[in-house]
Amino acid sequence: NAGVTQTPKFQVLKTGQSMTLQCAQDMNHNSMYWYRQDPGMGLRLIYYSASEGTTDKGEVPNGYNVSRLNKREFSLRLESAAPSQTSVYFCASTPTDWDYGYTFGSGTRLTVV
Amino acid sequence: AQSVTQPDIHITVSEGASLELRCNYSYGATPYLFWYVQSPGQGLQLLLKYFSGDTLVQGIKGFEAEFKRSQSSFNLRKPSVHWSDAAEYFCAVGTPGNNDMRFGAGTRLTVKP
Repeated sequence: NAGVTQTPKFQVLKTGQSMTLQCAQDMNHNSMYWYRQDPGMGLRLIYYSASEGTTDKGEVPNGYNVSRLNKREFSLRLESAAPSQTSVYFCASTPTDWDYGYTFGSGTRLTVV
Repeated sequence: AQSVTQPDIHITVSEGASLELRCNYSYGATPYLFWYVQSPGQGLQLLLKYFSGDTLVQGIKGFEAEFKRSQSSFNLRKPSVHWSDAAEYFCAVGTPGNNDMRFGAGTRLTVKP
C-alpha cells in the first residue's frame, strides 16, 4: 500500500546511546517532516525537508539531526539520547509544501531510560 | 507565530448524538486550517482542510468544519457519532509557503454505547 513507512515501531535506548529513525514514502512527495508527539502538547516539528537536498530546523531541533537520503527517504538521528527525548515520533510527507495536508506514518515510540 | 488552542482535552458523547469539537487559532492573516484524527497506535489521518472560499468544509467520515473569521474558530462537527469515531482529534494551522504548521494539543473523544 502506498504511504509512509517508519522503522522501528518501538525502541528503548539508554541515556547517551545513539540511533536513527528511518522514514520512507512511495508517493513521490517532495516534502518530508519529522514531528514528535508528547501528551498534552500535540505535535511539534523537529526538522523538515521541503525538497530533496534541503533540510531545515523546525520548532524543536535541539538534540536531533536529519538526512534527506533521496526523494523517498528522510532519517532522524539522535546522537546522544536523553530522557527528554522519550516521545512518539512521526514522519510525514506532502506533495509539495504542506498545502495538501500531511500523510503520516504510524509512528515510532521511543523510550530513553 | 501562529498558534492553535483546543479547549477541550476530553469529550464523551453517546453514540448517535451530535458532536462539536472546538478549535481556536491565532494568526494575523487568513490561515490554512486542518483537522486530523488519530486512532490508538496509529498516525494522523487528514479529515478536512480549509484554504479559502466556502467557510463550511466537508470532510471524510461524515465530518464537517466551519471557519468563522470573527471568532478565530474552526470547529469540527458531526451530526451523529458512531462508536468507531472514538479517537483523538487534532486541529492544525499553517501559513502558505511556511513549513511551520502548528498543531493543537488534541481532544480525546470517547463514545458511549
